[in-house]
Amino acid sequence: GAVVSQHPSRVICKSGTSVKIECRSLDFQATTMFWYRQFPKQSLMLMATSNEGSKATYEQGVEKDKFLINHASLTLSTLTVTSAHPEDSSFYICSALGQVSNEQFFGPGTRLTVL
Amino acid sequence: DAKTTQPNSMESNEEEPVHLPCNHSTISGTDYIHWYRQLPSQGPEYVIHGLTSNVNNRMASLAIAEDRKSSTLILHRATLRDAAVYYCILIKRIQGAQKLVFGQGTRLTINP
Repeated sequence: GAVVSQHPSRVICKSGTSVKIECRSLDFQATTMFWYRQFPKQSLMLMATSNEGSKATYEQGVEKDKFLINHASLTLSTLTVTSAHPEDSSFYICSALGQVSNEQFFGPGTRLTVL
Repeated sequence: DAKTTQPNSMESNEEEPVHLPCNHSTISGTDYIHWYRQLPSQGPEYVIHGLTSNVNNRMASLAIAEDRKSSTLILHRATLRDAAVYYCILIKRIQGAQKLVFGQGTRLTINP
């Protein structure tokens, strides 16, 4: 089956630093990937749609200058949380769109804690 | 976009069947019914999907009402590993990237 990985799985950083999260499709190519954020006891909320070779599309209320998305290849999308603050602490999850089935395959998530 | 409604939580016992309901009264003819589940501290995983007919796979069965305004995910013999949040999501029957809109889902607790 299609596998999506995320790195790192967990990160703790100081307030004001930037953190990069990688999302990789391991055995298939994904022209489209999605980034979600999930706060404790809440559902997933879509942040942005990442398209290979073009700019990401952000959902309303998500700051594109704070959450930088780069989809430089068909197997890798990165999310950089710039100048992170404690309120950015969350579980960040990516998914990759399958080319054949139109199904989304999810990564295991990255837990970000900003001190 | 059509919306789904699920109970916030359900509880069942190990090795018993579980029926998870989902209402989608405003579903359109181009909507597929998808179910995902999210185990604690993990990303969601696909469970099953269907359009009009009931569907079975190794994980679960999906029973779809004749008017398609509701569906039920059936776990035939629950195990402790089935404890998760289950999401019922409608996805348009068109090619191309589509956003998944996650509701609150149903938190399923399995008692030993």
